[in-house]
Amino acid sequence: RKEVEQDPGPFNVPEGATVAFNCTYSNSASQSFFWYRQDCRKEPKLLMSVYSSGNEDGRFTAQLNRASQYISLLIRDSKLSDSATYLCVVNKGTGRRALTFGSGTRLQVQP
Amino acid sequence: NAGVTQTPKFQVLKTGQSMTLQCAQDMNHNSMYWYRQDPGMGLRLIYYSASEGTTDKGEVPNGYNVSRLNKREFSLRLESAAPSQTSVYFCASSGQDRGSNQPQHFGDGTRLSIL
Repeated sequence: RKEVEQDPGPFNVPEGATVAFNCTYSNSASQSFFWYRQDCRKEPKLLMSVYSSGNEDGRFTAQLNRASQYISLLIRDSKLSDSATYLCVVNKGTGRRALTFGSGTRLQVQP
Repeated sequence: NAGVTQTPKFQVLKTGQSMTLQCAQDMNHNSMYWYRQDPGMGLRLIYYSASEGTTDKGEVPNGYNVSRLNKREFSLRLESAAPSQTSVYFCASSGQDRGSNQPQHFGDGTRLSIL
């Protein structure tokens, strides 16, 4: 089983739609969780950290479910500029700096 | 704000050649990382350095060496390049942990092709 699993997509949605991605992780000792965004042939960029209580940043909402070992990302009112690959990222355990990256979920927002 | 700077941006090598990928950060971060990204596989950690003077292997260290030259710089060396090392290489850095990982900031990558 992969340490971090994501549906590769692509998710094709119209502008204005709400879309959600899930990600599962296998290491129950993981303590830190992030969503990164990667545009084609560019570097990954931090979208948001994921906190235990869930957190929101504008149109983006992240949730963590430790019992089921998954995190989610919800994007409301999708924009064309949201088209990208979204990477789920978890650390390798308590106190460990090394991160494990999922392969990413590709989102294509269509006009 | 330069952030994380990688050089070169592109490189083509012949099998057996050696080269060093350079990375520097100006954010006063303690930790630095080297990843490779291949199609459909996500980023895989090659080596990392938790602080100046220390380095540790990641998932895929074979065929690579690293040097943490000082707090700012972390280089990746391919001693004898192989076609399997054709990839996009990303350097990243992160700040001091405060009970949880700080997010990593990435350079814009080095596209390496080995013929």
